[in-house]
Order: sequence, then structure tokens, then C-alpha cells
Amino acid sequence: DAMVIQNPRYQVTQFGKPVTLSCSQTLNHNVMYWYQQKSSQAPKLLFHYYDKDFNNEADTPDNFQSRRPNTSFCFLDIRSPGLGDAAMYLCATSRDAVTGVSYEQYFGPGTRLTVT
Amino acid sequence: AQSVTQLGSHVSVSEGALVLLRCNYSSSVPPYLFWYVQYPNQGLQLLLKYTSAATLVKGINGFEAEFKKSETSFHLTKPSAHMSDAAEYFCAVSEGGYNKLIFGAGTRLAVHP
Repeated sequence: DAMVIQNPRYQVTQFGKPVTLSCSQTLNHNVMYWYQQKSSQAPKLLFHYYDKDFNNEADTPDNFQSRRPNTSFCFLDIRSPGLGDAAMYLCATSRDAVTGVSYEQYFGPGTRLTVT
Repeated sequence: AQSVTQLGSHVSVSEGALVLLRCNYSSSVPPYLFWYVQYPNQGLQLLLKYTSAATLVKGINGFEAEFKKSETSFHLTKPSAHMSDAAEYFCAVSEGGYNKLIFGAGTRLAVHP
């Protein structure tokens, strides 16, 4: 089945130690998103890629970076995690207007990040 | 700017009872509207979507929602709740050419025997 995969599902890192979360998709969608979701809150968009074009949300801290080496993969890098970065990180994909509009986003299972 | 309001952060129903989760939106253009469900420690799963076709939309797991433009609402219903429906539900509106989603704050549904 076509899907969005996130690894690892659970990640523990130390305060200030860089960490990378990964996302892959078999849907062949050209738009990919990273969200941060804290406990009992709605997902908050950090940034998205339209193909290789990177689009940062205005309030996303510089501590968060992303890479998309190809259509299938996207990475979230947290350069110096703080205690406040502990959250669920969700990857999502969608298909854009050029290839056929679907509007909805398809989410992966998420990676729960703990910062010690 | 578009926004979504979900009335009731917690809703509790008995098994077999009607489920009604409320969502109101604001939008200056015809909106695209979605309901997602999230189980503990899982990602979001699409329940249903409204994309300017039929105003009554049927989704998975017996859920449906009705788009009412005059009320700017998109409430989610299910005739008979099941224990497995206990989860967090998010209403969202689409904004922009890149399908950016604006989420409501979510409603946690509890189903008791």
C-alpha cells in the first residue's frame, strides 16, 4: 500500500545534541510537510517543500532545518534541541495542482521526540 | 485569513449514541474542509473531505459531515458511537495553492459503555 513512513517512531536525544528525523513516501506526491504537535494541541506547520522549493513558516525557529534529497525522502534536523522541542513530529504529503489536485494531506505515524 | 473553531474540547457519549462534533470556519473564498482523526501516538487519518461537490459528505467508519455555507459550519456526525471511535478529532480548512491546512484545536471524543 502507498504510504508515508516515519523513522524512528520514538527518538530520545540529549539537550543540545543534534537529531535528525526521517520521512519517506511511496505516494509520489510532490509536496511534503513537517508539523510539530505538542500534547493536546493541533499540529503546527513548520515548513513544506513544493518539489525542491523550500517554504519556511514565519514563526519556525532557526533551530529547525529540513532537507529533501529526492521526491521520496524528507528529513527534519533539529540543530540544538531544547526541552521545549519535545513533541510529536508529523510528516505529511499532498499532490499539487499541476499533477492533479487532491487537497487533502496524508500523514505518517509520527516520531515522538523526547529531550533529556 | 482562514480559521477553524471547534466547539467543545471534550465530548463524551454513550456507546450507541449519536456523535456530533462541531466545526465552524471562516474563509473569504470557497473553502476545502476536512475532518481528521488521531488515535494515541498515531498520525492523522483522513475521515472525510468537502471539495465543493455534494454538501453532505460521507467518510470512513460511518462518519459524515454536512457543509452549510449559511452557517459556515462543517459538523461531523455518526449515528451510533462505538468504543473504537474514542480519539482526537481535528477539523481543518485548506488555504493557499500548496494545500496548507489550518487546523482547529481538536475535540477529544470519549465513548463510555
